[in-house]
Formats: sequence, structure tokens, C-alpha cells
Amino acid sequence: EDQVTQSPEALRLQEGESSSLNCSYTVSGLRGLFWYRQDPGKGPEFLFTLYSAGEEKEKERLKATLTKKESFLHITAPKPEDSATYLCAVPRSSGGSYIPTFGRGTSLIVHP
Amino acid sequence: GAGVSQSPSNKVTEKGKDVELRCDPISGHTALYWYRQSLGQGLEFLIYFQGNSAPDKSGLPSDRFSAERTGGSVSTLTIQRTQQEDSAVYLCASSLTPGTGGYNEQFFGPGTRLTVL
Repeated sequence: EDQVTQSPEALRLQEGESSSLNCSYTVSGLRGLFWYRQDPGKGPEFLFTLYSAGEEKEKERLKATLTKKESFLHITAPKPEDSATYLCAVPRSSGGSYIPTFGRGTSLIVHP
Repeated sequence: GAGVSQSPSNKVTEKGKDVELRCDPISGHTALYWYRQSLGQGLEFLIYFQGNSAPDKSGLPSDRFSAERTGGSVSTLTIQRTQQEDSAVYLCASSLTPGTGGYNEQFFGPGTRLTVL
């Protein structure tokens, strides 16, 4: 069964304290791995798509990387406004279409 | 441009009543998804519409749940005889037509928070 597991469930950082979030997946024939950010009371917002092992994408203080079994979201010198829940998703095959399977997310709190 | 909109933003109903939740996708997006998100849980897939194809209903938890998409645009998720365990945030997302990769990034609405008393 295709699965997506995120760790840690929650992470508290001090402003400026860099860290990484993990998304491990078991799916045959990876067709991309997607990272989203979700703020409280809002829908998820797309951040990155990674398609092949070794690929990296960057946006401001965030950098996403991909291996054959997992993806990391590195946060460099985070700021309080980076506080959010970060979700990863992997499409799984379903009757000829591809439906994203989401992990439960990592809740990040950055203290000033 | 306008993003995905959902209405109502909040809905409180009594157990046993029917509810309808509405989603207006981004214009030109042929793919539309419904998800359910319970407190502390991930996004649970419910149903997927792609163009004029038959919807993928594999995520609907029971026959009390149904959805339709009229004219390839607006979608309505209906929950009949609501139960307390139906309380959750219902999210809608749309995306461009999936290419050969099979999937494009999704654009989510703000969600409808459903509370069943």
C-alpha cells in the first residue's frame, strides 16, 4: 500500500535555528513529490514539485531535496512567519488517474 | 485572478440533517478534488473530477456522501443524514489538466468547517 510518512509531527525552533523536515514514501513509479504549506484556517498552498532523485528546489529560506525514498524540506534561519504546517504529497495510481496521498504534516512553530 | 472559493465558510447542523457544500474552482482548471481534514489528521481524499470523465469516488467514506460537478465548473458535495463523525474541514482543490506525468499542483480553497451537533 502506498504510504507517505512525515516526521517530526511537531517542531519548535528559535528564530534563526535551521532544521529539516522529513517526508518518506513508499510508492511504485514516483510521479512527483509535492510540498505544501498550510496556515491555520486556510487551505494548503503549493510550494515545490520534485520529480527525480537528486533534484533540489529553493524558495527564500526553504530548500526541498529528493532521494529515492524520501524528501527533506530544509529551513535555513527560519523566521516566525515560517510557522505553519508543512505537508507533502505523492500521487498514487487510481483507476487510470493519479490521486495525491498526503502525509499528516509537520507543525512548525518558530519563536522570535 | 480569483482563486478557489468555497461556501459556506462555516456550517453548523444537527445530526441527521443533510448539508451541501459548494466549490468554485479556478477558471480553466479541469481537475477538481474534494478532501476532508479532521483535527490533527492529514488530508483524506474523497472524490476527484477530471473533465467529462466519470469521477473517481474511491475515497467517499459511505453512501451518505455524494458529489456532482455541473458544466465542468462548480461542484457540490452533499452529505445526507449527517453524523457527528462527519465534523471536519472540507477542502476543495482544482488543478490544470494532468499531463503525461499524471498530476499537477493543486490550488486549494479556504475550506468549509462543518460541525454536526
